[in-house]
Amino acid sequence: AQTVTQSQPEMSVQEAETVTLSCTYDTSESDYYLFWYKQPPSRQMILVIRQEAYKQQNATENRFSVNFQKAAKSFSLKISDSQLGDAAMYFCAYRGQETSGSRLTFGEGTQLTVNP
Amino acid sequence: NAGVTQTPKFQVLKTGQSMTLQCAQDMNHNSMYWYRQDPGMGLRLIYYSASEGTTDKGEVPNGYNVSRLNKREFSLRLESAAPSQTSVYFCASSGTRGGRFYGYTFGSGTRLTVV
Repeated sequence: AQTVTQSQPEMSVQEAETVTLSCTYDTSESDYYLFWYKQPPSRQMILVIRQEAYKQQNATENRFSVNFQKAAKSFSLKISDSQLGDAAMYFCAYRGQETSGSRLTFGEGTQLTVNP
Repeated sequence: NAGVTQTPKFQVLKTGQSMTLQCAQDMNHNSMYWYRQDPGMGLRLIYYSASEGTTDKGEVPNGYNVSRLNKREFSLRLESAAPSQTSVYFCASSGTRGGRFYGYTFGSGTRLTVV
C-alpha cells in the first residue's frame, strides 16, 4: 500500500522569506500523481500544485514550486516570498493509476506559521 | 460557482441517531469520494464511487453507507452514530483534462459531533 510521510508537524517562516516543506512517499508504481493541498482555518482544501511522475520538470505555480526526486521518492514544496495568507496546514498527497482505485492518500500534514 | 457542495456544514447528533450527509458536484466528474479528517491526521477515505452506479470501500468504511444517486450526487449515511464518528467530513470529486487525470475538488466540509 502507498504511504505518504510528512516529517515536519510544524514549520515557521518570516514574512517575505522562503520555506520548504518535506514529503516522502512509498510506492511500487511507475506512473502516479503528487499533490500539495493547503487547508486554512476555514477548512477548505485548496489545491496548491500538482506533479505528474512521468514529467521530469518540476511543477511551479507562481510563488510555489516543487522539488520532485522520483528515485528518492521525495516531493518537497518551496514557498517563496512567504505571505501572511500562506499560513495554513499543508498536506502532501499521492494518487496512483487505476489499480489504486483512484484513491488519494494523504500525509499527516505540516502546520505552517508565517511571522510578520 | 462550479464545485462541490456538501450539506450540512455543522451537525450535532446523539449516540444512536442516524443522519445523511449530502454532496453534489456540477463539474460532470465521474468519480466521487467521502473522506474524514480527525485532529492531527490527514484525510482518510471512507467510501468512493468511481462512476455512477458503483461504490467501493475505502480505508475506514465501518459504520457508514453510501449511495451514488446519480452522476452529480453522492451521499454518506450514518445509521447509528457513535462518538468515534466525531470528525470533519469532506466530499470530493475528480476529473480529467486532456485525457489525463487532473485532480480533486473538495467540498467545504461538515463538522459532525456525536455526543
